Amino acid sequence: DSGVTQTPKHLITATGQRVTLRCSPRSGDLSVYWYQQSLDQGLQFLIQYYNGEERAKGNILERFSAQQFPDLHSELNLSSLELGDSALYFCASSAGVSNTGELFFGEGSRLTVL
Amino acid sequence: QKEVEQDPGPLSVPEGAIVSLNCTYSNSAFQYFMWYRQYSRKGPELLMYTYSSGNKEDGRFTAQVDKSSKYISLFIRDSQPSDSATYLCAMRRSNTGKLIFGQGTTLQVKP
Repeated sequence: DSGVTQTPKHLITATGQRVTLRCSPRSGDLSVYWYQQSLDQGLQFLIQYYNGEERAKGNILERFSAQQFPDLHSELNLSSLELGDSALYFCASSAGVSNTGELFFGEGSRLTVL
Repeated sequence: QKEVEQDPGPLSVPEGAIVSLNCTYSNSAFQYFMWYRQYSRKGPELLMYTYSSGNKEDGRFTAQVDKSSKYISLFIRDSQPSDSATYLCAMRRSNTGKLIFGQGTTLQVKP
């Protein structure tokens, strides 16, 4: 158990809908990262937050947004969903803003868009 | 061209074999190199971590980094069925926590 909790584990929804994925980082970790994993693209970095502030951004679509709350949990919002958004979404956390590479991953949220 | 290239396999070996997994990269600014292991339906977990060039050994696992060739490797000795998983290389620059991952190589170790 990495200590990173993600909910929901599975989500099935329709095109055009909006969903919210939630992540609780390990106790004491201030950085939260979101990654998307699909069969053809592998693990793709979406966005990083550190202590409530956005610190790095990857190829995150404009339809996607994230935030980190004062209690350090984070949410990833996906809107106007398309079939191609079906993927595993992972949250990871680390202690600092640029660390030794020890990212602790949650077990992911599997999103299926029909 | 992707920043990090990794052969997705799959790779199938008999138990006890030596396994070699490799990644190449294009960004010379990468300083930290990692290998993650991902079991089916689980999140990736850190296996090995190396800073800059050199070798690092941990039990049956050895990580090698050759920055001049932009090439990293993971060797698994005496492979076990429990090693069957997807292995992802990852790397980052010195001023960021953001990791860039390879595609992942799926390994199956047959008893």
